Amino acid sequence: DSGVTQTPKHLITATGQRVTLRCSPRSGDLSVYWYQQSLDQGLQFLIQYYNGEERAKGNILERFSAQQFPDLHSELNLSSLELGDSALYFCASSVGTSGSDTQYFGPGTRLTVL
Amino acid sequence: GQNIDQPTEMTATEGAIVQINCTYQTSGFNGLFWYQQHAGEAPTFLSYNVLDGLEEKGRFSSFLSRSKGYSYLLLKELQMKDSASYLCAVRDLGGATNKLIFGTGTLLAVQP
Repeated sequence: DSGVTQTPKHLITATGQRVTLRCSPRSGDLSVYWYQQSLDQGLQFLIQYYNGEERAKGNILERFSAQQFPDLHSELNLSSLELGDSALYFCASSVGTSGSDTQYFGPGTRLTVL
Repeated sequence: GQNIDQPTEMTATEGAIVQINCTYQTSGFNGLFWYQQHAGEAPTFLSYNVLDGLEEKGRFSSFLSRSKGYSYLLLKELQMKDSASYLCAVRDLGGATNKLIFGTGTLLAVQP
């Protein structure tokens, strides 16, 4: 158990819908990262927050948005869902933004868009 | 651009040693991580290298050569539970971030 929690574990929804994925980082960690993992593409970095502020963006679609709240939990919002958005979504956390900081991953949310 | 290459699949025998290679070409480099991921589960941290050389941690060791853009993960005394995907990830050097760029992973099958 990494100490990072994610809810829900599974999510099944229809195209065009909107969902929210939630992540709570390890105690003491200020950085939160979101990754998408689909079968054919491996782990893709989406976005990073540090202490409530956006720090880096990766290949995140405009239909997706995220935020980190004062209690440091984070939410990833996915809207106008398409079939291709079906994937495992992982949240990770680390202490800060130092290069040696290890990222610890949560158990993931499996999203299925029908 | 950024490119990380690993073999797609490998097979090894229980009790043996296996080496999983990773080559990378990135615009910047500030450390390389190895993660283990069992199917449908979260990646778990194995090792971190930022300087050239070998880092040993129990049955697992990781090597880095920055001049060659090359790393390997060495697994000794293989056990069936080592069957998993092994992900090589490079820390992107740019701004105040330590986002990771992942390779597609190497699926290791350990056979009896």
